[in-house]
Amino acid sequence: EVQLLESGGGLVQPGGSLRLSCAASGFAFSKYDMGWVRQPPGKGLEWVSLIYTAAIGPTYVDSVRGRFTVSRDNFKDTLYLEMNSLRTEDTAIYYCAKGGGLDSWGQGTLVTVTS
Amino acid sequence: DVVMTQSPLSLPVTLGQPASISCRSSQSLVHFNGDTYLSWFHQRPGQSPRRLIYRVSNRDSGVPDRFSGSGSGTDFTLKISRVEAEDVGVYYCMQYTHWPRTFGQGTKVEIK
Repeated sequence: EVQLLESGGGLVQPGGSLRLSCAASGFAFSKYDMGWVRQPPGKGLEWVSLIYTAAIGPTYVDSVRGRFTVSRDNFKDTLYLEMNSLRTEDTAIYYCAKGGGLDSWGQGTLVTVTS
Repeated sequence: DVVMTQSPLSLPVTLGQPASISCRSSQSLVHFNGDTYLSWFHQRPGQSPRRLIYRVSNRDSGVPDRFSGSGSGTDFTLKISRVEAEDVGVYYCMQYTHWPRTFGQGTKVEIK
């Protein structure tokens, strides 16, 4: 059974940083592209980033490019999202998802950016 | 960016009756390889999204056959043949042909 477990969310001030992790199990992690999607409280879904299997060519939505960095450790079966220069509008539940088509999702981790 | 427009945004339905959600894209979702990358997701209150349909019309494992997807180019539809109580929640379409990937605004399905 595919399991994705996000962690690392929390309360942070504007301009601060956080590192999210997503521990994967139940599938061959190294063989799948992995993505991040976020959802502001009470709002819809926004695709954030995708990283390919060999960690090449990560892509980002414009609103986070240059501030967020996605990476992966195929030995630890773990996906990461390094978030810097955080803004209030980055407040959201952050989900990791398997595959370019997002076929399985984690339970999410809440990031709150507030002064 | 490709804009995905869903309608309606709110859909009150009667148990056992059919329901239909439309999703339109601002550009064709046909990839240069000939495939069309359009998915549908369902999010129940307080839960993570779950993918129902991929590449327009393919049901994910475990998805009841009352759910079906159709469409082509820029015009897509999710149909529920007979709505059950567990189908309430928000439905999203997403295109993954173009970068960045984009979602529709969501359609909230509730029981009348």
